Amino acid sequence: EVQLVESGGGLVKPGGSLRLSCAASGFTFSSYSMNWVRQAPGKGLEWVSSISSSSSYIYYADSVKGRFTISRDNAKNSLYLQMNSLRAEDTAVYYCARDLTKYGYVTHDAFDIWGQGTMVTVSS
Amino acid sequence: EIVMTQSPATLSVSPGERATLSCRASQSVSSNLAWYQQKPGQAPRLLIYGASIRATGIPARFSGSGSGTEFTLTISILQSEDFAVYYCQQYNNWPTFGQGTKVEIK
Repeated sequence: EVQLVESGGGLVKPGGSLRLSCAASGFTFSSYSMNWVRQAPGKGLEWVSSISSSSSYIYYADSVKGRFTISRDNAKNSLYLQMNSLRAEDTAVYYCARDLTKYGYVTHDAFDIWGQGTMVTVSS
Repeated sequence: EIVMTQSPATLSVSPGERATLSCRASQSVSSNLAWYQQKPGQAPRLLIYGASIRATGIPARFSGSGSGTEFTLTISILQSEDFAVYYCQQYNNWPTFGQGTKVEIK
């Protein structure tokens, strides 16, 4: 079964850090670009960051640029999001999502597989 | 940034009726448009990509159309399991999503 499972969410104080992980299974992880998308409570979806299959290309939304770092370990079938200098407005469910197309053009594809999400709450 | 605007915000429909959802892009996205369904407490599910191509396992009652800046998602005969929030997403440039249309039971 094709599956993505996020972990690492929790409660953190403003200015703090958190590292999210996404474990992939059931497909050739190293062949796909991967993404993080977040959803604030009661709000819509917001793209956060994308990484190409070989980590050669990495992109961030302006709202997180300079604070968040996306990475992947293809040997471990895992995607990560290091979040630093967290703010209240970063509070959201964070989803990892797979690009639809194998070896596709990163940030230029639909997302066909999503994890269940992990909640990040930034509050004092 | 390409802004995606969905209308209406809420659509009240009876089971068995047709639902038509709209999505407008602030500039042309060609056919690089996807639709997602999200139910409470669940992750989004890909319904349509390439503006009109149904994703794997998606029933034929879901159809997408449009190109450029105007797009439509049609659910031909609403089933009880179709009541949810629907989002459009462009991927012609950095991905951006619409604000969502909630399809509720009339």
